[in-house]
This record gives sequence, C-alpha cells and structure tokens, in this order.
Amino acid sequence: QKEVEQNSGPLSVPEGAIASLNCTYSDRGSQSFFWYRQYSGKSPELIMFIYSNGDKEDGRFTAQLNKASQYVSLLIRDSQPSDSATYLCAVYILTGGGNKLTFGTGTQLKVEL
Amino acid sequence: NAGVTQTPKFRILKIGQSMTLQCAQDMNHNYMYWYRQDPGMGLKLIYYSVGAGITDKGEVPNGYNVSRSTTEDFPLRLELAAPSQTSVYFCASSRLAGSDTQYFGPGTRLTVL
Repeated sequence: QKEVEQNSGPLSVPEGAIASLNCTYSDRGSQSFFWYRQYSGKSPELIMFIYSNGDKEDGRFTAQLNKASQYVSLLIRDSQPSDSATYLCAVYILTGGGNKLTFGTGTQLKVEL
Repeated sequence: NAGVTQTPKFRILKIGQSMTLQCAQDMNHNYMYWYRQDPGMGLKLIYYSVGAGITDKGEVPNGYNVSRSTTEDFPLRLELAAPSQTSVYFCASSRLAGSDTQYFGPGTRLTVL
C-alpha cells in the first residue's frame, strides 16, 4: 500500500460544478494534512492545510478530514478554468528519521467550459 | 519577501559532469528540503536540513550531496551526473518540522544527456 494515494485522473468537471478530490493515507498516527496545487511547469503552491477531523473552509475550497477512515478530501466549489491543475495531497508520515512530508502522485483536474 | 529562490531555472548536463543547484530563503526558516519530481510521480525527498551545519538523508540521497553553512542557503551538489538524475528539483523550507507548511521554490529543470 502506498503511503499516500490519490487517483491520478484526469478528473473533468464542467465550469461552475463542484470538483471533489480524494486522498487516503497509511499512517493512522498522522496529524497534519496539506493540499497543494501545481500548474504545469510550476512549483507546488499551498491551497489548504487541515489538522482536525471535520471540514475546513477557505473561500471556494473545503478540506475534509476523517482520521478514523484515514481519508482527506478537497472540494472546489464553482470550479473555474483557472482551477485546472494537478492537486497534490501531502501528509506527514512517521518514518525512522521522524515525521516526513509524503506526497501523493497528484490528481489532474480539468475544468471545461 | 522573495520567499524561496532557486537557480538556475534550467540546465543541461553531460553524463559525468557536476553542478550545484542553489537554493535560498529569506523567511528565517530553520528547516530546508530538497525534492525531486519525475513525470507522473510524487515529490521524493533527497536531503533535508534542520539548521545551519545539520543535514540528513531523505528517501533518495544517492548521487547527491548537500551543505548548510547559513540559515538562508541550502545548495544541492550533483557529482558525476547520470541520466537517472534528469528531473525537476524543488527546494522548500518550513518554520517548524514534522507538522508545518512547506513553501516551495520555483524549481530547476535538469536534463542529463
């Protein structure tokens, strides 16, 4: 089992719809979860972080965390063409050298006009 | 604040050549990281540093070396470049370790021919 798993996509949604991006992780003890957005040829850019179970909202973005199910998701409301990018889920995983930020391979989102 | 800066943006090396990728941050972060990202793959940690004079190996350190003489700078050295080192390299920094947001530089795209 991969430490952080995401569906690679592409996930295609029409403009104005809700995009739902999902991520599962292997370390039940993980406490910190991040969503990064990465445009083609660019570096990862932080969208949101979440530490507690439940929902966290920031503008059109909502992060959802369920530690019991080891599942974190990102909802994007009113999706815009500018949201088309790869979304990376990142989780701090305990390793022999301490907690390391471990990335999923990313989900490519395409918002269509 | 410039955040995290990296130079060069692009570089082509011949097999066996050496080079140093530069990384600097002006956020007074103690923790700095080097990642590589291959197409369709998540970011892999190469080396990290918890402060000036202290570095440690990440997941994929072979073929690389680092040093950290100041809080601001964290160069990555490639000795005897190989085609397997063709990748995009990202430097990142964080204020705290183990749970904090990591901020990324713009990346260096390296091709070894």
